Amino acid sequence: GAGVSQSPSNKVTEKGKDVELRCDPISGHTALYWYRQSLGQGLEFLIYFQGNSAPDKSGLPSDRFSAERTGGSVSTLTIQRTQQEDSAVYLCASSPYGLEQYFGPGTRLTVT
Amino acid sequence: ELKVEQNPLFLSMQEGKNYTIYCNYSTTSDRLYWYRQDPGKSLESLFVLLSNGAVKQEGRLMASLDTKARLSTLHITAAVHDLSATYFCAVDFNTDKLIFGTGTRLQVFP
Repeated sequence: GAGVSQSPSNKVTEKGKDVELRCDPISGHTALYWYRQSLGQGLEFLIYFQGNSAPDKSGLPSDRFSAERTGGSVSTLTIQRTQQEDSAVYLCASSPYGLEQYFGPGTRLTVT
Repeated sequence: ELKVEQNPLFLSMQEGKNYTIYCNYSTTSDRLYWYRQDPGKSLESLFVLLSNGAVKQEGRLMASLDTKARLSTLHITAAVHDLSATYFCAVDFNTDKLIFGTGTRLQVFP
């Protein structure tokens, strides 16, 4: 079946602009995660949605970052007033609750 | 602090040789995952280890988990070039989110 999809695959933006990254999880997966992979920080957790529960936002690096999940399915990660240190690959994953996470192809964000 | 340490960071192996990648973690967990990442690609799940003493094998790779020692190993047997990639261990400290190790970049040469 279809895996996790993310769009866009690449995004180049100017410093100070807002960006939106989209994630379509595997159908039926109740949990959705965002991670960030950068050279300096490795792979780090950002935010986690599970069903209708309040999201775990403990990994968001600043209040410029936010995410929402609509209808328990698609999620959007928004970065406001982008900075150069936001340049990274943003990975989305989904899982049946409490089980193995399946990762999408990622969005490579470059802030110039 | 929840930490996952992986070593070595870089491994250059000759084809046909054996080697082991180590993953240590800081506190109790019985859910550990190994992923493979090819350059420019996403993470591919290799193994899911969910109990003390768990051992999983796929081809030339074998993973094990010792929850008492807080240690997992990924053993490579008779390496081949196709195994060249970066390997990550990741631990779920009963929070449902993954804490990743630094990754081990494996290069297999003839």
